[in-house]
Amino acid sequence: KAGVTQTPRYLIKTRGQQVTLSCSPISGHRSVSWYQQTPGQGLQFLFEYFSETQRNKGNFPGRFSGRQFSNSRSEMNVSTLELGDSALYLCASSLGRSTETQYFGPGTRLLVL
Amino acid sequence: AQSVTQPDIHITVSEGASLELRCNYSYGATPYLFWYVQSPGQGLQLLLKYFSGDTLVQGIKGFEAEFKRSQSSFNLRKPSVHWSDAAEYFCAVGAPPSGTYKYIFGTGTRLKVLA
Repeated sequence: KAGVTQTPRYLIKTRGQQVTLSCSPISGHRSVSWYQQTPGQGLQFLFEYFSETQRNKGNFPGRFSGRQFSNSRSEMNVSTLELGDSALYLCASSLGRSTETQYFGPGTRLLVL
Repeated sequence: AQSVTQPDIHITVSEGASLELRCNYSYGATPYLFWYVQSPGQGLQLLLKYFSGDTLVQGIKGFEAEFKRSQSSFNLRKPSVHWSDAAEYFCAVGAPPSGTYKYIFGTGTRLKVLA
């Protein structure tokens, strides 16, 4: 089975722009979670989607949003980029039941200049 | 609130030596516990997980972890470290069924292996 894929792998943007990141989960997985990883804050949970519905949300401003499509693929969007949004954004998928393990993609590294 | 503490930011061991990475958690009930490894520029790979049952859990790459409820710990061990084990290791807590599906991660322990 193919793993979690994320596109693009690298992005460079400037302050004020917006960006959309994509995540394709493992086939059959219905839950997709997003995390932000930075050297200062570590790994922080952004949000989780299951069957096209946001099921849980972390403590991030409204500039961070996401959605999930009927094929379970997910996108996250960051509007009005700030320098502090530079990070590795990781997507994880699972079957969706509470006991299921999350499997992570390679991440998208975003640099905001 | 849930929290995870990895007290060691950096650990250096010699190749062939044993390894123990510490993880302490705070949670009101028995959480789901995970160890992940991250190589530079890569995503996270699951090493092992504990949900219930036997408190000694075997994982991939020769790693094991032991859940100790009395100490709120889930330490990762390996009897003999290989140079390829150099990476960053993350302990994570997942909440049992309560409507939440997010993981809380520790700050990570960066492992350096000396030849």
